Parts: sequence; structure tokens; C-alpha cells
Amino acid sequence: EDQVTQSPEALRLQEGESSSLNCSYTVSGLRGLFWYRQDPGKGPEFLFTLYSAGEEKEKERLKATLTKKESFLHITAPKPEDSATYLCAVQEQGGGAQKLVFGQGTRLTINP
Amino acid sequence: DSGVTQTPKHLITATGQRVTLRCSPRSGDLSVYWYQQSLDQGLQFLIQYYNGEERAKGNILERFSAQQFPDLHSELNLSSLELGDSALYFCASSLSSGGAREQYFGPGTRLTVT
Repeated sequence: EDQVTQSPEALRLQEGESSSLNCSYTVSGLRGLFWYRQDPGKGPEFLFTLYSAGEEKEKERLKATLTKKESFLHITAPKPEDSATYLCAVQEQGGGAQKLVFGQGTRLTINP
Repeated sequence: DSGVTQTPKHLITATGQRVTLRCSPRSGDLSVYWYQQSLDQGLQFLIQYYNGEERAKGNILERFSAQQFPDLHSELNLSSLELGDSALYFCASSLSSGGAREQYFGPGTRLTVT
């Protein structure tokens, strides 16, 4: 069964203090790995899709990378508005089903 | 704004009752997904529809059912409600049913069972 584990569970940073969030996964065949941002009481907001090991995607202060067993979300010089829960999800190859299997998320707080 | 709409935003009901949650996907999207998010379980996949047909099922309870209509909107029916069904219910949509497609989530329906 697909498994996604995110670490740390919670992370508190000062504004401008860069860091990385980890997502490790086990899946028989990876179709795609997805990063989402979720604010309290809101729906997840799509950030990135990564398809194969070695791939990188960037958006503003965020950069996502992928290896065969894990993905990292690097946050450079974060601002308070980057505070949110970041969710990682995987989609397995095979069949027409496209369900996402989510990790428990990393709750990120950026202090001004 | 993802373009996915869900109604109602909040729902408070009693145990044993039945409720219907509604979702309209983004314009052009044929796939609709339902997820449940609770504090202890995180985001869990319930069911997927593609162009009106059921495509995949997750850990969806027998008391729950869903359908997708010809105009592509979807409804999730929850019956014989229990306290443990209290959660956020999200609908998501994507363009197709093939390949690794990102899913766009709606704002959710918060269900409280008392």
C-alpha cells in the first residue's frame, strides 16, 4: 500500500530563515508527486507536480525536488504569508484511478 | 480561487440523519474526486468519478454514496450519520482520467454531527 510520511510535523522559523520540508514515499510505481499548500479551514492549493527523479520545480520562494524515495520542499527567505500546512501526495501508476495518497502535512509558521 | 465550488459551506446535523454535499468542477474538467479530512486521519480519498462513471473507490463507508450528473456536477450523500463522520469534505477536479494530473480542490464543506 502507498505510504507518504512528512517531516517535521511542525516547523517554526524566523522571517528570512531558509529551511526544507521532507516527504518520503513508498509506492510500487510513481505516476506523480504533488505538493499542496493548505491554509486553516480552506481547501488545498496546488503548488507543484514532479514526475521523475532529478526533477525540480520553482515558484517564488519555493523549490521542490524529487529523488526515487523522497521529495523536498525548500523554502528560501520565507515571509509570514508563507505560514500554512504543506501537504505532499503521491499518485500511483496503473489503471484509470488517479487517487492521491496524502501525507499528514508539515505545519509551517514564519514569525516576523 | 480554484474554480471548484462546493455547497453548503457548513452543515450541522444530528446523528442518524442524511445529508447531501454538492460540488461543481472547474469548467472543462471531467474527473471529480471526494476526500474527507479529519484531525486524526488527514486527507483520505473516498471516490472518483469520470464523465459520469465511477472510476475508483477508496475507504468509503457503505453509508456514503456519490454520483456525477450529466452536467458533471457531483453529489456526495452521507446517511445514518455518526459523530465520527464530523469532518471537512473536499471535492477536487482534474482535466482527465489519464496521466499524472494535478487536482484542484474546492473550499470544502464542514460537517458537524451532534
